[in-house]
Amino acid sequence: QSVLTQPPSVSGAPGQRVTISCTGSSSNIGAGYDVHWYQQLPGTAPKLLISGNNNRPSGVPDRFSGSKSGTSASLAISGLRPEDEADYYCQSYDSSLSYSVVFGGGTKLTVL
Amino acid sequence: EVQLVESGGGLVQPGGSLRLSCAASGFTFSSFWMSWVRQAPGTGLEWVANIKQDGSEKYYVDSVKSRFTISRDNAKKSLYLQMDSLRAEDTAVYYCTRAGYLTLNWFDPWGQGTLVTVSS
Repeated sequence: QSVLTQPPSVSGAPGQRVTISCTGSSSNIGAGYDVHWYQQLPGTAPKLLISGNNNRPSGVPDRFSGSKSGTSASLAISGLRPEDEADYYCQSYDSSLSYSVVFGGGTKLTVL
Repeated sequence: EVQLVESGGGLVQPGGSLRLSCAASGFTFSSFWMSWVRQAPGTGLEWVANIKQDGSEKYYVDSVKSRFTISRDNAKKSLYLQMDSLRAEDTAVYYCTRAGYLTLNWFDPWGQGTLVTVSS
């Protein structure tokens, strides 16, 4: 049971827009901690996708965007491409445990 | 190029020990928090431990406290994870990752991971 809740799977056709939610609580996202997103392609290590709620590292296409409100955050992917098929994870911190890092359970994106 | 390369994984019996290493290059290692994150087969990411730039602060997930020890050698630009009293549930790919400059933040980059299998 992950501290941050994500849908197990989402899907969309090429060119469409999908969103992945990340729901936390008053001790993590709601406490003001930033949310970060990672993309994990099959058989590879995770890669930073969005930092600090809505910042794209160099090299990440602007098709990827992040937002945060209250105790939740979202990752939006527009103009879906087959190569976007991957697992996506949100990450934050939790004030109930010292310097405790918390991850979402992950969401499998399928491009139909 | 910023790079992290893990080593030391392998097959170990329950109750045994293993020491993972992570060699860093391409950045000022001593200026960053560092972390270990693991991923059991077919499951999601689980944070394991953090260590501050000078090693003065260390934090662990509850399930590994008193069994795992994170450490670093800034002169060698290396991060370590000493794992004792290993259990089957510790079986996972272990990733070394950079965790923040002045404070803990996002994880970037990640190493390629090293597989630890605990089995008799």
